Amino acid sequence: DAGVTQSPTHLIKTRGQQVTLRCSPISGHKSVSWYQQVLGQGPQFIFQYYEKEERGRGNFPDRFSARQFPNYSSELNVNALLLGDSALYLCASSLPAGANTGELFFGEGSRLTVL
Amino acid sequence: QQQVKQSPQSLIVQKGGISIINCAYENTAFDYFPWYQQFPGKGPALLIAIRPDVSEKKEGRFTISFNKSAKQFSLHIMDSQPGDSATYFCAGIPMNRDDKIIFGKGTRLHILP
Repeated sequence: DAGVTQSPTHLIKTRGQQVTLRCSPISGHKSVSWYQQVLGQGPQFIFQYYEKEERGRGNFPDRFSARQFPNYSSELNVNALLLGDSALYLCASSLPAGANTGELFFGEGSRLTVL
Repeated sequence: QQQVKQSPQSLIVQKGGISIINCAYENTAFDYFPWYQQFPGKGPALLIAIRPDVSEKKEGRFTISFNKSAKQFSLHIMDSQPGDSATYFCAGIPMNRDDKIIFGKGTRLHILP
């Protein structure tokens, strides 16, 4: 079975640009979460989506947005990139809330470098 | 404030030794505590997890010990191997699954060959 897949795996942008990251969850998983992981730190929660609705949002500016599609895949958009947005962006999927332990299954991440 | 405090930040253990990583939490609304293992350039992978009504869970060389009254839990890696060298994160999952999972800051483990 395919795990969580993310694309692109690596990308380089310059300040002020915009980026879109994509994620396909594990088959049967309806919840997708996005995390930012800065080097040497634990993952920081950005968004959670379930059934195309935003269920949670972390402490990130409005430059960060996301959406979930009918097939449960998701996109994370970041506008007006700053140097500090350089990080590994992780997508995680999980089974529906209330039906599981809440464990997250992570993709390999998209490494964003902002110059 | 929801927090999971993890220690040590880094750990060096001889091959064959026992690696011990500790976590403490404040939020009593957590009801599931997973540990994740992350290799460089990879996403975190679920390693082992425990519920607070269990004091210990063992899977192969990996054991979680849980002290509910102290709100502490730890990961023990027995017979540590160089392939165990990775960063380990503990986490707390809230009973309300719509709330966010809280991760510790991670422990970078290095096993000497």
